[in-house]
Amino acid sequence: AQKVTQAQTEISVVEKEDVTLDCVYETRDTTYYLFWYKQPPSGELVFLIRRNSFDEQNEISGRYSWNFQKSTSSFNFTITASQVVDSAVYFCALSGLRGANSKLTFGKGITLSVRP
Amino acid sequence: NAGVTQTPKFQVLKTGQSMTLQCAQDMNHEYMSWYRQDPGMGLRLIHYSVGAGITDQGEVPNGYNVSRSTTEDFPLRLLSAAPSQTSVYFCASSRDPQWEQYFGPGTRLTVT
Repeated sequence: AQKVTQAQTEISVVEKEDVTLDCVYETRDTTYYLFWYKQPPSGELVFLIRRNSFDEQNEISGRYSWNFQKSTSSFNFTITASQVVDSAVYFCALSGLRGANSKLTFGKGITLSVRP
Repeated sequence: NAGVTQTPKFQVLKTGQSMTLQCAQDMNHEYMSWYRQDPGMGLRLIHYSVGAGITDQGEVPNGYNVSRSTTEDFPLRLLSAAPSQTSVYFCASSRDPQWEQYFGPGTRLTVT
């Protein structure tokens, strides 16, 4: 069975600090997909990124960056120069390609608080 | 284009009552799913559907029923509500599980 572990449960930083959210996954599939979602205090779930297992290039989008390392089964998310609006719960998720693993499995989430 | 809609937004039930949470999408997505979110537990898959007429169980299916008679609608039925079903429920749709999920706004259910 596949699994996503977000070992950090709560992180608190001061505005403008950089922060990294860790995600470690387990799967026996060779083809799989990794995701990050954001859930702000308003409650909706917002898609941030999708990455397939064959693309290990790091991704940068503004202040957000993602580091995918197959060797350590990690897909970490870094926010540079954090802002109060980044305060949210962040979920990492994994989907395989076939059978029981083709469902989307979420980690338990990391609550990020950014203080002014 | 409304995306994924869920009704109601809030609901209070008494133990033993039944109800249906509605979910509809207008993006012609084949894949739809229901999750529940509980503090410290993340999002857990209840049931999912890969197309009209096809449904399957997720991680926590007990006490819930689903059906998928059309591509657009995927209702979730609570057969006999229990306090353990107090949660926030999210419906999602996508092309398939390997693509971005579009989530509804959620239904906050309290069972007393």
